[in-house]
Amino acid sequence: AQSVTQLDSQVPVFEEAPVELRCNYSSSVSVYLFWYVQYPNQGLQLLLKYLSGSTLVKGINGFEAEFNKSQTSFHLRKPSVHISDTAEYFCAVSEVGDYKLSFGAGTTVTVRA
Amino acid sequence: GAGVSQSPRYKVTKRGQDVALRCDPISGHVSLYWYRQALGQGPEFLTYFNYEAQQDKSGLPNDRFSAERPEGSISTLTIQRTEQRDSAMYRCASSSFGPRSTDTQYFGPGTRLTVL
Repeated sequence: AQSVTQLDSQVPVFEEAPVELRCNYSSSVSVYLFWYVQYPNQGLQLLLKYLSGSTLVKGINGFEAEFNKSQTSFHLRKPSVHISDTAEYFCAVSEVGDYKLSFGAGTTVTVRA
Repeated sequence: GAGVSQSPRYKVTKRGQDVALRCDPISGHVSLYWYRQALGQGPEFLTYFNYEAQQDKSGLPNDRFSAERPEGSISTLTIQRTEQRDSAMYRCASSSFGPRSTDTQYFGPGTRLTVL
């Protein structure tokens, strides 16, 4: 079984500043990795996913994440945030060949002017 | 519709009552998933449908929970004799194809269930 740890539950950040959300996972087999975002009163929306290939993955809205197999991490970054990036962010993992997603507890990002 | 829809969005019920939560997936999507999210936690897998077949119910916590998708489209998650510990956000997701871990799961807005 796999598990996901999101190291920060709350991240306050000023507008136009960079942000990094940390995610570590544990699994005994190969995995796929995902970041989802939830805006208020909306469903979870996929930001990006790592399946294979380049360890640097670019997603929507200027986000990117880097897969580090040796550190079992998949941290999410954005070089300059906007007020509209205020949301809850979830890291998720699935074992290769399995459709079940295992999610972290989420990180709430609050962007202030 | 354009996305996954769920109804009701909010449900308040008394302990011991049965509730039915509905999910309408993206048109044509083969796979449908139910997840449950407790307050302060990430979603946890409950069950999976491939068309109308319930292929995986390993995450259902006990036999009070059941789900169906009789025509391979709309799905209903039913909780019988609700208990306070059932209070959570129930999320539905769908994906285009059969059970492939590479497919993107598209999530609905969820149903917030509160059991008094």
